[in-house]
Amino acid sequence: EAGVTQFPSHSVIEKGQTVTLRCDPISGHDNLYWYRRVMGKEIKFLLHFVKESKQDESGMPNNRFLAERTGGTYSTLKVQPAELEDSGVYFCASSQPFTGRKQETQYFGPGTRLLVL
Amino acid sequence: QKEVEQNSGPLSVPEGAIASLNCTYSDRVSQSFFWYRQYSGKSPELIMSIYSNGDKEDGRFTAQLNKASQYVSLLIRDSQPSDSATYLCAVRGADDTGRRALTFGSGTRLQVQP
Repeated sequence: EAGVTQFPSHSVIEKGQTVTLRCDPISGHDNLYWYRRVMGKEIKFLLHFVKESKQDESGMPNNRFLAERTGGTYSTLKVQPAELEDSGVYFCASSQPFTGRKQETQYFGPGTRLLVL
Repeated sequence: QKEVEQNSGPLSVPEGAIASLNCTYSDRVSQSFFWYRQYSGKSPELIMSIYSNGDKEDGRFTAQLNKASQYVSLLIRDSQPSDSATYLCAVRGADDTGRRALTFGSGTRLQVQP
């Protein structure tokens, strides 16, 4: 079974440009999460999709970030315009539909390393 | 105060020893606790989850939870050089909030010396 995949693995852009990150969850996983880790800090939650619906977007830092999950499969996270403080590693995670709340396991992708210059 | 606190390390132990990793959390109503292992440049990988007070063992790994003290730990017995990685403690809040997000600590770097 293929794991969570993310594209690109690395991205270097200039301040003010736009970048789109993609996440392909494990097949059959309704839940998709975006997290990010900025330099020297802990991994922080951004948002949670259940299928194509945004369940929780409380972690999105501002309106320069737009996440979509059309059709409930892969997801994209667009940053427009990018700022220096957006640099970090963006992780995607997915999990199966809930059958018992406590038993959810979130499987993480390898991350996209974003550097804004 | 951070929501989930871990000593950043590095924690250095000799091969074959027991490595003890600790984590404290601030939200008293947290119900689910996880330990992820992350090798440099790789994705976090779940190695243990624990939901009830006490110990949970899986092979060389034992997770310990004390909700009264808001403390969770991970013991690695017979440590191997391949265990050298960053260990992330993650916590999820009360189930009735409907919130599924994990809150992470900053991680403890473990070095197992051959």
